[in-house]
Amino acid sequence: QITLKEFGPPLVKPTQTLTLTCNFSGFSLSTSGEGVGWIRQPPGKALEWLALIYWDEVHRYSLPLRSRLNIAKDTSKNEVVLTMTNMDPADTATYFCAHTRSGSLDFGYWGPGARVTVSS
Amino acid sequence: QSALSQPASVSGSPGQSITISCTGSGSDVGGYKYISWYQQYTGQAPKLIIYDVTNRPSGVSKRFSASKSGTTASLTISGLQAEDEADYYCCSFIAIGVLFGGGTKVTVL
Repeated sequence: QITLKEFGPPLVKPTQTLTLTCNFSGFSLSTSGEGVGWIRQPPGKALEWLALIYWDEVHRYSLPLRSRLNIAKDTSKNEVVLTMTNMDPADTATYFCAHTRSGSLDFGYWGPGARVTVSS
Repeated sequence: QSALSQPASVSGSPGQSITISCTGSGSDVGGYKYISWYQQYTGQAPKLIIYDVTNRPSGVSKRFSASKSGTTASLTISGLQAEDEADYYCCSFIAIGVLFGGGTKVTVL
């Protein structure tokens, strides 16, 4: 059974860096084909894909946010970490991590989400 | 890259069928066979209901079906039920990752 859960600060100040951790079980990011993605959703708005990382260290980023994002994995801890620099109130959202596989990039399993508010 | 275009809302009476469109371009919907659809209830994480354009994951109701023609993908919910009232998002594979639609709120009258 695949499960994921996001951890991170509920509140960050503008210009600060956000660090979110996705802890997962039921699969390994050392196994061929496995991947984890990050998706966010501002209050009342649509889903927005941010980044993803595969078992082979390949990572992909949303073009508009590429310069602010970094995604990394710790296979031994079953964790994926997303950092987003220079946070702005417009980045206030629920941040989800989700399991995917290379090829179709559908997200079959999701964490419950971590609500992040950017405010001074 | 702009979000895929979906109608903001679609409504129907119980038992009816409704269809949600998802329009993109040749760089997304029209260029790949990897279209997925997600159902999201308020306050919950999205749930995958369609993958690879037409396939349903195990456990998803057969009332959900989907297709694609050119640069438009479509999700059909047949035999509409009260439990289908939710937000629905399409998602397309793109060269650098994925692109979501703007979402459609389905209301059961």
